[in-house]
This record gives sequence, structure tokens and C-alpha cells, in this order.
Amino acid sequence: GAVVSQHPSRVICKSGTSVKIECRSLDFQATTMFWYRQFPKQSLMLMATSNEGSKATYEQGVEKDKFLINHASLTLSTLTVTSAHPEDSSFYICSAGKTIMNTEAFFGQGTRLTVV
Amino acid sequence: GEDVEQSLFLSVREGDSSVINCTYTDSSSTYLYWYKQEPGAGLQLLTYIFSNMDMKQDQRLTVLLNKKDKHLSLRIADTQTGDSAIYFCAERRRRALTFGSGTRLQVQP
Repeated sequence: GAVVSQHPSRVICKSGTSVKIECRSLDFQATTMFWYRQFPKQSLMLMATSNEGSKATYEQGVEKDKFLINHASLTLSTLTVTSAHPEDSSFYICSAGKTIMNTEAFFGQGTRLTVV
Repeated sequence: GEDVEQSLFLSVREGDSSVINCTYTDSSSTYLYWYKQEPGAGLQLLTYIFSNMDMKQDQRLTVLLNKKDKHLSLRIADTQTGDSAIYFCAERRRRALTFGSGTRLQVQP
């Protein structure tokens, strides 16, 4: 398999602050990464597709100004939750594939965000 | 995940086989996946199958695909307590994945 690393694994922040989550592909380059959100005891919902060197593509209902995505290199994508609110508390997971078609999608270990 | 459906819970005894079922709706799905998620962790890719295949076996795991009925199953042979987790099936239409709601597998010693 391939290794996708997320950091931090857990973060607690105050309402109104911003939090940055990093997603790195450690042993391969990824032109595309994906950000998912998982609510407790629920499935994963795709938030956005992160494209290296260009703007991210957001799914319907996801606020792009609230969830800022930057994919500055072939091994790093970041998700910044801006002006966080308690309802943003969730488990955020990124994934990346070794090929452009993302046939084998590998996931990071996830980031548990708690906004207090 | 409303387009991919799974039963929510399955309980088996250690040593028995587990069968987790999944149905999907999009016939254009190219690949179908099974992932395992342990508490508080990310997703571990277990196996995947191309849509023109009927079966794929990998050690204790067997995936069966019935494309006509849009039904996917994962069989775990000789289930162990370490297999206790949530199992997600997922389909790939474009490049991102659409996930089912997950099946919680509980293995009784």
C-alpha cells in the first residue's frame, strides 16, 4: 500500500479561531487529494477535491470560504477550517491515490476536530 | 452515502465466517471497495474489485460482485476478534468515492 499521513490527529480549538489540517502523501506524488468529513456513527461525505496547482472543487453545500483548501505541492494538501464553530466539530479524513484515476485510494488516519 | 446501502450491524462468533453485504445504485461505477475502520482511526483499504469481475479473493477475504443486481459482498473467513471494526463499502464513479453507511462487525470470543 501507500502511506498518507494527516496532522494533527486531534485538535481542540476555541470558537472563532482557524485550524489547519495537513495531509501528506509520504511515498508517492498525488496530483489530486480528497477531503472527507465523517459525523459520529455515520459515513464519510466528500467535501472537496484538492487539485495541485489549481483551485479545489467543492461539493454542493460545502462553503469554500469556510473550508479553505490549498494543494501547493504534489505531496501536501491543507484544509483550513476558518472561524470555527462547534458545529464544525467532526472527524476530517483525507485520501490520495497513486494514479491520476485514484484506483487505489489511501486514507490518512483522520483528524478529530473539537470546537469549544 | 444514500446511493450505497449496508446493514448496520453484524455479530459473529470467532472462527466463523462473516458476510457483509452492500448494494449500490450506479451501474457506471468502475471500481468497488471495502475499507475497514477501527475506533478513532482512518480507513484501511482492504480490497477492491473492478466492475467487470465477479469475484476476487485475497487470503481470508473474498469479494463477490453481482453487477446485474448491483450487489457487493465481503466474506471474511475464520473471523478473529481483531476483525471487529466498521466496514465500509464504496463505489467510484468519477475519482472520489461514495461510501455506504458502514457495517459494524462484532466478533464474539
